[in-house]
Amino acid sequence: DQQVKQNSPSLSVQEGRISILNCDYTNSMFDYFLWYKKYPAEGPTFLISISSIKDKNEDGRFTVFLNKSAKHLSLHIVPSQPGDSAVYFCAAREVSGGSNYKLTFGKGTLLTVNP
Amino acid sequence: ETGVTQSPTHLIKTRGQQVTLRCSSQSGHNTVSWYQQALGQGPQFIFQYYREEENGRGNFPPRFSGLQFPNYSSELNVNALELDDSALYLCASSLRGQVSDTQYFGPGTRLTVL
Repeated sequence: DQQVKQNSPSLSVQEGRISILNCDYTNSMFDYFLWYKKYPAEGPTFLISISSIKDKNEDGRFTVFLNKSAKHLSLHIVPSQPGDSAVYFCAAREVSGGSNYKLTFGKGTLLTVNP
Repeated sequence: ETGVTQSPTHLIKTRGQQVTLRCSSQSGHNTVSWYQQALGQGPQFIFQYYREEENGRGNFPPRFSGLQFPNYSSELNVNALELDDSALYLCASSLRGQVSDTQYFGPGTRLTVL
């Protein structure tokens, strides 16, 4: 049972336009949501996070929106740049057993930004 | 500030063998988590170590075990390797006690089981 879902395996956008990556979750116990970017042959790189008590967090070109009632979050990248081309993972944090901060990941979305 | 490092980069083993993967956490971090990423999938949580003790485990059998050392570095051991263990193994470190407890990942070890 997938608790974090990224339903779009891939997304292609033009340089300068907006990229919107979506993520849905089912577990109401998640308290933090994170986005990671991954290039081939590298580990995931942390991009931005949002607490479950907020609905928006912005960092430069990256903005994450959280709709808790719909159990949906999205990452907006504006403007998109060719260097943003990578696999983007949505991850959700659950505090298990009172102290274990476990992350559950989606399967990822491959973003391609065309020059 | 030194990031998370992992060794080796690549490893080839045969079925039934045992393997040890190593991870050095980011400077100042006290918690290490291990993840398995199969091809086309997102990382899956194996277990987490804090204060040298296992502090939570995902849906992985006991032949997956680990250690954390006083300097917060960590090892992942896998016994009786199976073909399905072929994957990218990722280590992430974090600082317990921060509000966000963000996990920062190393580059991973690519394990191939033949």
